[in-house]
Amino acid sequence: ETGVTQTPRHLVMGMTNKKSLKCEQHLGHNAMYWYKQSAKKPLELMFVYNFKEQTENNSVPSRFSPECPNSSHLFLHLHTLQPEDSALYLCASSQETGGRDGYTFGSGTRLTVV
Amino acid sequence: QKEVEQNSGPLSVPEGAIASLNCTYSDRGSQSFFWYRQYSGKSPELIMFIYSNGDKEDGRFTAQLNKASQYVSLLIRDSQPSDSATYLCAVNTRAGGTSYGKLTFGQGTILTVHP
Repeated sequence: ETGVTQTPRHLVMGMTNKKSLKCEQHLGHNAMYWYKQSAKKPLELMFVYNFKEQTENNSVPSRFSPECPNSSHLFLHLHTLQPEDSALYLCASSQETGGRDGYTFGSGTRLTVV
Repeated sequence: QKEVEQNSGPLSVPEGAIASLNCTYSDRGSQSFFWYRQYSGKSPELIMFIYSNGDKEDGRFTAQLNKASQYVSLLIRDSQPSDSATYLCAVNTRAGGTSYGKLTFGQGTILTVHP
């Protein structure tokens, strides 16, 4: 596989469920990101990981818990979500966080919280 | 002032016309500038990047950069209905005193090309 792969593509979960989103990049990049995009709203940066270390957390509620075991994999663990958390969750990667070469996005996970 | 600013639109142009998308940014130290296209419900796709002042052409797309005016634009010639999408401007910005920077996205401009 090439590029940035996200699974699952679609997820419906209840407010009491626990689920995880997975992202894997095959580009040899060192930085990975989680973005949230609600309907008709701009991209919201959630978390930044650089060489497996979290370098940015944009005041994201604790019901979202990221995990980066290595530079190629990124997870977003979800628990006790709210309906307003329904959105497209995008993973991205880049060679370095400065964005010199741009970010490559995965296809996203469409999350619906019921 | 937002770090990266775009008119949200929608911008509506007839098929075959030139679509002009504009973006301004606040960080004078920015070095890299990108245009992403995002179809409804899909992820952003990189379509152009530019690092130096002037124009850069790729097929029907031309990116224009003016660092003195802190302005970057995207021109789409011979616009097609398939160009209808949201176009995101992205600029690398310094992260407020930290040793690393980041890519900052504008809110996007919705483009509609009508037959």
